[in-house]
Amino acid sequence: DIVMTQTPLSLSVTPGQPASISCKSSQSLLHSDGKTYLYWYLQKSGQSPQLLIYEVSNRFSGVPDRFSGSGSGTDFTLKISRVEAEDVGVYYCMQSIQFPLTFGGGTKVEIK
Amino acid sequence: QVQLVQSGAEVKKPGSSVKVSCKASGNTFNSYAISWVRQAPGQGLEWMGGIIGIFGTANYAQKFQGRVTITTDESTSTAHMELRNLRSEDTAVYYCARSSGYTYVNNWFDPWGQGTLVTVSS
Repeated sequence: DIVMTQTPLSLSVTPGQPASISCKSSQSLLHSDGKTYLYWYLQKSGQSPQLLIYEVSNRFSGVPDRFSGSGSGTDFTLKISRVEAEDVGVYYCMQSIQFPLTFGGGTKVEIK
Repeated sequence: QVQLVQSGAEVKKPGSSVKVSCKASGNTFNSYAISWVRQAPGQGLEWMGGIIGIFGTANYAQKFQGRVTITTDESTSTAHMELRNLRSEDTAVYYCARSSGYTYVNNWFDPWGQGTLVTVSS
């Protein structure tokens, strides 16, 4: 199974300041079709996860442009350029290049 | 806008089984794979398995092989997940999620169901 490792476990951010979350996979997520199957989800308290970023760097419909994803191969980063109160929750990375699909352990983002 | 609506919370005894349903709105139900993801209290997300509707084939994570069965009923646009031989460690919120394509590999999950809490307690 592909192991997804996220750091840090938690992050406390002042509103308006940037935040960055790292996700590393135990195997490359680059497919022979040229796409990299790495996704980012946000789970707000008491809610189902919601998709933020697909295939490393593509913002999903309705996701604010303060969210951006980058990376390649086995190293990926989610950045929030200016954190807002509504961004609190737990962020998960996920790979879908190989069965079984696996998630990172999550990064909890709080507001200072 | 497709929505997934799951069945209600369940309380089960150890050793028993639970069947959770996930009903999809819209008329392209079998065009997309459905996965089941669980989340134990205070823990992260864990993919249990999924079903590719157009082929009717299901795949399960090794951890759940032999204890879980995922099926679909195209006539009611509903997916079901049955987990057998329940133990206390199976207490969790169970989510269904639709893939962006006909399979779960190389695709993302959206939308997700609202989640179903299954509590296993004697």
